Amino acid sequence: DAKTTQPPSMDCAEGRAANLPCNHSTISGNEYVYWYRQIHSQGPQYIIHGLKNNETNEMASLIITEDRKSSTLILPHATLRDTAVYYCIVRVGGETSGSRLTFGEGTQLTVNP
Amino acid sequence: SAVISQKPSRDICQRGTSLTIQCQVDSQVTMMFWYRQQPGQSLTLIATANQGSEATYESGFVIDKFPISRPNLTFSTLTVSNMSPEDSSIYLCSVNRGSIYEQYFGPGTRLTVT
Repeated sequence: DAKTTQPPSMDCAEGRAANLPCNHSTISGNEYVYWYRQIHSQGPQYIIHGLKNNETNEMASLIITEDRKSSTLILPHATLRDTAVYYCIVRVGGETSGSRLTFGEGTQLTVNP
Repeated sequence: SAVISQKPSRDICQRGTSLTIQCQVDSQVTMMFWYRQQPGQSLTLIATANQGSEATYESGFVIDKFPISRPNLTFSTLTVSNMSPEDSSIYLCSVNRGSIYEQYFGPGTRLTVT
């Protein structure tokens, strides 16, 4: 699986957009970009994934650069409950032997009132 | 999404004993995964459990220490054997679900070994 690089921590004001970057310069053509978050003392929560195109769901937007070497997770209106560790993971899609998730250190996002 | 429950939610155990953690999923899944999260650290995959076959363990994890059962498509257990304080962690199970098999996680079992 391709490695990812994320800043260890970020702060954001409540109500503002939180933009979390991720570098994955060695991503392969069949690897997806997944984002998860882990709120303190809970299991990780799936947020969104993408292959090439930008994606949006009820939780967030995912912007993937054209060369796919980096991406940004956007929480459009951050709330205090969005304070969590955010993990960017790349892996092959589908249920294969290569579909394990490899967690890095993630970004600790703190949303301030 | 998937509804995943784990039992127990937490436990305090003595050194040298074993604890079996149960994971129940609300529908049938092919693969189930067990992770460990040591205090202040990220998640590490222990093993992948397919129904009807031996679990596949990641480097650094062995069956004698972490035996896994997968008796059917909705249930799995992980046993932490001969525990030491270094085994104090959160243990999480997860499953693949969805169009591209995104993973969903249980709430975790917080284990403290004294």
